[in-house]
Amino acid sequence: QKEVEQNSGPLSVPEGAIASLNCTYSDRGSQSFFWYRQYSGKSPELIMSIYSNGDKEDGRFTAQLNKASQYVSLLIRDSQPSDSATYLCAVNMGVTGANSKLTFGKGITLSVRP
Amino acid sequence: EAGVTQSPTHLIKTRGQQVTLRCSPISGHTSVYWYQQALGLGLQFLLWYDEGEERNRGNFPPRFSGRQFPNYSSELNVNALELEDSALYLCASSPSHLRDIQYFGAGTRLSVL
Repeated sequence: QKEVEQNSGPLSVPEGAIASLNCTYSDRGSQSFFWYRQYSGKSPELIMSIYSNGDKEDGRFTAQLNKASQYVSLLIRDSQPSDSATYLCAVNMGVTGANSKLTFGKGITLSVRP
Repeated sequence: EAGVTQSPTHLIKTRGQQVTLRCSPISGHTSVYWYQQALGLGLQFLLWYDEGEERNRGNFPPRFSGRQFPNYSSELNVNALELEDSALYLCASSPSHLRDIQYFGAGTRLSVL
């Protein structure tokens, strides 16, 4: 069974702090990785994608990928109360274009305290 | 530009009934994906349609089925409803050249009593 695991939450950080969200995956051949944000009662919203080892930055968000360790993380700098949501890690465990299928972790709920 | 739209928003059914959920993708997107988000289980992949064909299927029984129409909209059908089918059903779409990038609709909340 191919799996995506996220560390158990919830995670609570003070406003202005760095929030670190982690995810591991079981399929060593996976090529594409995503972070979605889901506010309570809403649908998931794509916030980051990463395909190569290393860091990818977009505003206050940084995604980090280490394929050798089968590990992907999301850092949120200068956390704001509006960042309070559930964050879902997703991995494409199919062959992109031929067998595209996202496998999601169960998510971690982040709470940013004012 | 309109996003992914799903209907209905909410549904209440009883065990054994059948239900049809509908999804319209973003204009220009050819792929449609269906997911089930049940409490405590996370997002589970159900089905992927592209260019009118079923391309991939998750670990769900055959009573979960669907189709994609020539205008790329899609239906998800669930027969012989069971209590554990109660969940949020999410549809996502992607363009053919970027199938990894999926945009989600607001979902249909199904309650089976």
